[in-house]
Amino acid sequence: EPEVTQTPSHQVTQMGQEVILRCVPISNHLYFYWYRQILGQKVEFLVSFYNNEISEKSEIFDDQFSVERPDGSNFTLKIRSTKLEDSAMYFCASNWSQETQYFGPGTRLLVL
Amino acid sequence: LAKTTQPISMDSYEGQEVNITCSHNNIATNDYITWYQQFPSQGPRFIIQGYKTKVTNEVASLFIPADRKSSTLSLPRVSLSDTAVYYCLVGDSNQAGTALIFGKGTTLSVSS
Repeated sequence: EPEVTQTPSHQVTQMGQEVILRCVPISNHLYFYWYRQILGQKVEFLVSFYNNEISEKSEIFDDQFSVERPDGSNFTLKIRSTKLEDSAMYFCASNWSQETQYFGPGTRLLVL
Repeated sequence: LAKTTQPISMDSYEGQEVNITCSHNNIATNDYITWYQQFPSQGPRFIIQGYKTKVTNEVASLFIPADRKSSTLSLPRVSLSDTAVYYCLVGDSNQAGTALIFGKGTTLSVSS
């Protein structure tokens, strides 16, 4: 069964550093998403992406965040200048159209 | 988006049937009811989706009464590996690219 994959599985960074989280969505999917989950809290939507454009974003997705689909397979989330409160699990998801979203295993980001 | 209410936690024993009820009083005509499962440090995983009456798959059943103001996820004969957080989501799944809005979910603990 096709799966969404994410790299790295864990990332530790210093406050103020830039990080790029990578995702490979399921190959024939058209819609891509990023969510995050701070430890012990609920899953929060960050952004959705379709046809090389952001289609929806939450209040969390401020100017320090950006997304990109640099090639036909990868979907990336960049955090320009990390803060302590960016420490969380970041999940990528994708789907074809109206169907359910398929989530990746996540990247655990720790900002020191 | 319809707000959902579900129990914070439930306990069960192996082999028992578990029913988790979700209230969604202001569900809209176009809204579907979707349940996701999340294990610790993993991404949410789709379990089942329905619009009305009953839906069954190899994992669970979903019961939706005629007024659609609530729904019940039924897990037959749970095992220890069913220990997870279960999320009830309500939204218009016909809108592609729509963000999923997660609540706090129901933490199910299965004991031997």
